[in-house]
Amino acid sequence: AQSVSQHNHHVILSEAASLELGCNYSYGGTVNLFWYVQYPGQHLQLLLKYFSGDPLVKGIKGFEAEFIKSKFSFNLRKPSVQWSDTAEYFCAVNAANFGNEKLTFGTGTRLTIIP
Amino acid sequence: DVKVTQSSRYLVKRTGEKVFLECVQDMDHENMFWYRQDPGLGLRLIYFSYDVKMKEKGDIPEGYSVSREKKERFSLILESASTNQTSMYLCASSPGGDPGLGSKYFGAGTRLSVL
Repeated sequence: AQSVSQHNHHVILSEAASLELGCNYSYGGTVNLFWYVQYPGQHLQLLLKYFSGDPLVKGIKGFEAEFIKSKFSFNLRKPSVQWSDTAEYFCAVNAANFGNEKLTFGTGTRLTIIP
Repeated sequence: DVKVTQSSRYLVKRTGEKVFLECVQDMDHENMFWYRQDPGLGLRLIYFSYDVKMKEKGDIPEGYSVSREKKERFSLILESASTNQTSMYLCASSPGGDPGLGSKYFGAGTRLSVL
């Protein structure tokens, strides 16, 4: 069975600081990887995803994530955060079998940006 | 723009009541999902459906059932609500096909309190 670990439960940063949120997954086969974001009072929405090709994936709002297969990791990064990045971030994984829609989420990381 | 609409934002029910949570999507998506979101636990999959009248158990199906009579509508049913089912419930949909390409679209959520 697949599982996802997000070790940072709550991260507090000042504006312009660099961000890295950790995500590690457990699954022996090929995976698809996702980061979702939930801004205060809003729907959960897709930030970026990896399913094949270049392991460095760029998403919306200047976010990127790198898939490192040997480390089973898919960490989220942003070089300079803004107050508007305050949100909860969820890493998710599914096994890359055709027709498999079962997405497993991590427990989430709450990010607070101080102006 | 994909829209996933959940019928209620807030619900308060009593222990033992039968509860229906409704979800409608307007993009002709094959797949629909019900998650519950709890602090520190992230999102956990309750049930999902690949097609009309089809359903699959997720990770925590106990105490829940679902119904999908029409493609656009997916209902979550709590046969006899209990206090440990107090949670935020999220509905999602996604198109069929390669799960790496099909991102999930989420509703705004229903916050259910069982007293």
